Amino acid sequence: DADVTQTPRNRITKTGKRIMLECSQTKGHDRMYWYRQDPGLGLRLIYYSFDVKDINKGEISDGYSVSRQAQAKFSLSLESAIPNQTALYFCATSDGGRNEQYFGPGTRLTVT
Amino acid sequence: AQSVTQLDSQVPVFEEAPVELRCNYSSSVSVYLFWYVQYPNQGLQLLLKYLSGSTLVKGINGFEAEFNKSQTSFHLRKPSVHISDTAEYFCAVIGKTSYDKVIFGPGTSLSVIP
Repeated sequence: DADVTQTPRNRITKTGKRIMLECSQTKGHDRMYWYRQDPGLGLRLIYYSFDVKDINKGEISDGYSVSRQAQAKFSLSLESAIPNQTALYFCATSDGGRNEQYFGPGTRLTVT
Repeated sequence: AQSVTQLDSQVPVFEEAPVELRCNYSSSVSVYLFWYVQYPNQGLQLLLKYLSGSTLVKGINGFEAEFNKSQTSFHLRKPSVHISDTAEYFCAVIGKTSYDKVIFGPGTSLSVIP
């Protein structure tokens, strides 16, 4: 089984809808991250969490919110989706800044 | 704060030819450096990382990278590429004094031509 899983893998939704992307990990890591990937822009950090009680905004947090329900679960919500939030979203985990991040398979989100 | 530049957005190369993917960074503090690879329809996975010590770092699948502090570069190389190396490659950096956010470059798309 994969160490980092994301659901759903693909989602098409309409402008104004609320949507939640979920991430679960079995690595036992405290740190979890949400990124979005857009062509030519690489990965940009949306939110990150160092433990259940520690959540921080990344460089592009506007329009997004997160919930760290447990050490193993980190959800990303779009309260009112808009077309420019169409992107590939990745969850990642790590056990320290100098150590590698482990990525989920990604969620392809399309907002029409 | 740190930033990462990958000078080539797309690199086509023939199979069995050598390749170099370029990465430059800027930072006011010392850094750790990473290369990640993303195969089609997959998440990213680590190729190699530089933390300290020898400036030549060897990674998986025959890749290596050399850290050059004076030129603030961390170029990725492979002496002979295979079709299976076709993927997106991301350089990433994190400041040693800021154990929070990794900064990723925009990526280089490597296409290996049979």
